[in-house]
Amino acid sequence: AQSVTQLGSHVSVSEGALVLLRCNYSSSVPPYLFWYVQYPNQGLQLLLKYTSAATLVKGINGFEAEFKKSETSFHLTKPSAHMSDAAEYFCAVSDRGGSQGNLIFGKGTKLSVKP
Amino acid sequence: DAGVTQSPTHLIKTRGQQVTLRCSPKSGHDTVSWYQQALGQGPQFIFQYYEEEERQRGNFPDRFSGHQFPNYSSELNVNALLLGDSALYLCASSFSGDNEQFFGPGTRLTVL
Repeated sequence: AQSVTQLGSHVSVSEGALVLLRCNYSSSVPPYLFWYVQYPNQGLQLLLKYTSAATLVKGINGFEAEFKKSETSFHLTKPSAHMSDAAEYFCAVSDRGGSQGNLIFGKGTKLSVKP
Repeated sequence: DAGVTQSPTHLIKTRGQQVTLRCSPKSGHDTVSWYQQALGQGPQFIFQYYEEEERQRGNFPDRFSGHQFPNYSSELNVNALLLGDSALYLCASSFSGDNEQFFGPGTRLTVL
């Protein structure tokens, strides 16, 4: 069965500092991996996705993630945090390709950005 | 192009009542999935509809049921509401053959 573990329910960084949000997955099949962001009282917005192409994936708003099969990880990074990055971030795995797969989410990491 | 829309935005019900939530998918999408997000948790998959049939189902009781209409819009019905059903209910749409799901803003259900 597929599962996702996000290390750290709350991460705090200073504006301009590196953002690193950790995600480890478990999957019995080649995974499709996703990072979503959720702002307060809103739905989820896709940041980026890995679907077995390049292992370094670039997303919106300057975020990127690297798929490391040997470490079963898909950590999200951004070189320089901005105040507008404060939100909750969810890592998710899909158990199959196409839209047939359902998404299995981690518990989320709340990112705070200090001025 | 309108994205995924959901109605109502907020809803308050009492235990034992029934509720219906609605979702209109993004234009061009034919698949609708529903998720439940309890406070402080990640979304949990309820079920997915494609071609007006339930294609997949998560670990939710039969009190949770759904429907998809010919125009691809969808409803989520919950019977015999429990306090634990209080959550944000998210609808996501996608195009069959694509792996990207687009989420709506959600419906906040409070059960008293």
